[in-house]
Amino acid sequence: EPEVTQTPSHQVTQMGQEVILRCVPISNHLYFYWYRQILGQKVEFLVSFYNNEISEKSEIFDDQFSVERPDGSNFTLKIRSTKLEDSAMYFCASTKTGKVAFFGQGTRLTVV
Amino acid sequence: AQRVTQPEKLLSVFKGAPVELKCNYSYSGSPELFWYVQYSRQRLQLLLRHISRESIKGFTADLNKGETSFHLKKPFAQEEDSAMYYCALTEDYKLSFGAGTTVTVRA
Repeated sequence: EPEVTQTPSHQVTQMGQEVILRCVPISNHLYFYWYRQILGQKVEFLVSFYNNEISEKSEIFDDQFSVERPDGSNFTLKIRSTKLEDSAMYFCASTKTGKVAFFGQGTRLTVV
Repeated sequence: AQRVTQPEKLLSVFKGAPVELKCNYSYSGSPELFWYVQYSRQRLQLLLRHISRESIKGFTADLNKGETSFHLKKPFAQEEDSAMYYCALTEDYKLSFGAGTTVTVRA
C-alpha cells in the first residue's frame, strides 16, 4: 500500500540554522499539508498546498517558513532560521480529494 | 471558525470494558468528521469517517448534529486499542484536530 514518507526521522539543529524537512506524498494525490505537534500538545495545521501553490496557511506559518514542490514528487518544508520553539514533530500529509489525509511517520526536529 | 474539543486527555479502561471517547465540535456549516489513531511509534492513520458509517476494529462513531458531537465508542476494549485518538474536522480541504485522548487498556 502506498505511503507518505518523510526524511529525516530526526533532525537536530542549532538555533538560527536553516532546516529542510522532506516528504514524498502518495503519487496520485493532489493536496499536500504540513502539520506540527509540539510535545504534549495537539496536532496543529501549518500549511496546505494545491496546484503548485499555497492554498492556506496558519498563523504559525510566518515568513520563516516556506514550502516547495521542486520536482513533482518531493514536498519540502523549509525553516529559514530555527528557534527553540520550533522544536516539534512535523507531519506531512497528502490526500487525493482534500478529505481523507494520509500521514507520514513524522520528523522530530530538535533545535538546540 | 471551527473547533474540535476532546475533553479527556487520558482515559484508562480494563480489557473487555466499554470505552467512549468524547468529541464535540463547533462549525457553522455541514461538518465532515473523522477519528484518527496513532499507535505507539506509528503514524497517524484514519480510523473512521462519519460519512462511511462503518465499524472499524469494533469502533463506531455517530455524528449527532443536535449535540454537535462525534463520540467514539467500542463495547469491549482490547489491549491493542491502547493509543492516542484524535477527533478531526475538515473544512476547505484541511483537517483541524482536537487535542487528542490517550487511551490505555489494562489487562
